Amino acid sequence: TQLLEQSPQFLSIQEGENLTVYCNSSSVFSSLQWYRQEPGEGPVLLVTVVTGGEVKKLKRLTFQFGDARKDSSLHITAAQPGDTGLYLCAGAPGSGGSNYKLTFGKGTLLTVNP
Amino acid sequence: GAVVSQHPSWVICKSGTSVKIECRSLDFQATTMFWYRQFPKQSLMLMATSNEGSKATYEQGVEKDKFLINHASLTLSTLTVTSAHPEDSSFYICSADKPHNTEAFFGQGTRLTVV
Repeated sequence: TQLLEQSPQFLSIQEGENLTVYCNSSSVFSSLQWYRQEPGEGPVLLVTVVTGGEVKKLKRLTFQFGDARKDSSLHITAAQPGDTGLYLCAGAPGSGGSNYKLTFGKGTLLTVNP
Repeated sequence: GAVVSQHPSWVICKSGTSVKIECRSLDFQATTMFWYRQFPKQSLMLMATSNEGSKATYEQGVEKDKFLINHASLTLSTLTVTSAHPEDSSFYICSADKPHNTEAFFGQGTRLTVV
């Protein structure tokens, strides 16, 4: 069973601050995805990282996939209240392909106070 | 992109009754769909994997006779909560597996309240 440790679990910061969320595992993933979920809605995909060492940027969000494809981080610069939500990382198993089960981290509940 | 529609968005039912939740892939065929349960401020907990034309695969600790899953077509999976009790109250979310695509496409979720 693949496990994905996500930290921190809760984060409350002021508008304008920076933050980083981490997902770590002892297992190798073929890809890793980051989702954001708002209350009462389903998760929405932010990004997928596939290549070890890959860095992707989405406006103020920077995603990095570890060289060994066992860990990933999400960095938010100058957080805004609109960034508030539950952030989930999810890893696809090393064998990839269809009919696989994603392994989800426990989530990071981010609150950005104005 | 890909669209997954879940219905209803919310439902309130009495203890002892059954509730059916539908998950549809609107613009692609999904041979595999997944059903999750989510408690407030927590991550998704996988309940079962729904495979088109065959029996669902349930995760350990999930009662298959209580949470009936049917995946009769390539675009529809249903989750029926039978003889619902207040402890079954939760947010249920489905996702669909799009062939040759690594990401999950989620429905909007269903808030079930059993009174």
